[in-house]
Amino acid sequence: KAGVTQTPRYLIKTRGQQVTLSCSPISGHRSVSWYQQTPGQGLQFLFEYFSETQRNKGNFPGRFSGRQFSNSRSEMNVSTLELGDSALYLCASSLEGGYGYGYTFGSGTRLTVV
Amino acid sequence: DAKTTQPPSMDCAEGRAANLPCNHSTISGNEYVYWYRQIHSQGPQYIIHGLKNNETNEMASLIITEDRKSSTLILPHATLRDTAVYYCIVRVESGANNLFFGTGTRLTVIP
Repeated sequence: KAGVTQTPRYLIKTRGQQVTLSCSPISGHRSVSWYQQTPGQGLQFLFEYFSETQRNKGNFPGRFSGRQFSNSRSEMNVSTLELGDSALYLCASSLEGGYGYGYTFGSGTRLTVV
Repeated sequence: DAKTTQPPSMDCAEGRAANLPCNHSTISGNEYVYWYRQIHSQGPQYIIHGLKNNETNEMASLIITEDRKSSTLILPHATLRDTAVYYCIVRVESGANNLFFGTGTRLTVIP
């Protein structure tokens, strides 16, 4: 079966702009989580969506937001981009979420803010 | 908060067993040990998890000490494709929908 698909793979944006990243989960998976990975902070949890509702949120500013559609596809948006938002953004899907296993990660979107 | 301690890096000869340690001295009775790995430029991949018994699957074995304060992930015959960062995660089986990855161990398999 197809894996988790994230688009685009690479993105370059200017400081102050906004960006939208997309994640298509594995068919049948209803939970989608987003993570930010930077060399300094490592992998950090952003938020998780289940059945179109945000179920859990990490410690990130309100500039980071997301949503999930009825087909479980998810998007995350970052407004007013800062240089420090340059990172690899990963999404992970799972059937129900809430467990320590069963997550399948995509290959990520590498965002560069200049 | 980090509940695990892992060495920052390790080397292993190709074909030999790779033994990756993890200390989790404050683990609670209902917390499991999970292992993920991240190969360069890819998303993390689930490897194995366990509560107190040793576990084995097609990828690896997990050995948990009797007092559960530490564990070892064993890759029985390391290949070059096993070069990755390995993360040991401690958490309850179900609950909050996030994984805390910590800093992990960078394993380099040497030809």
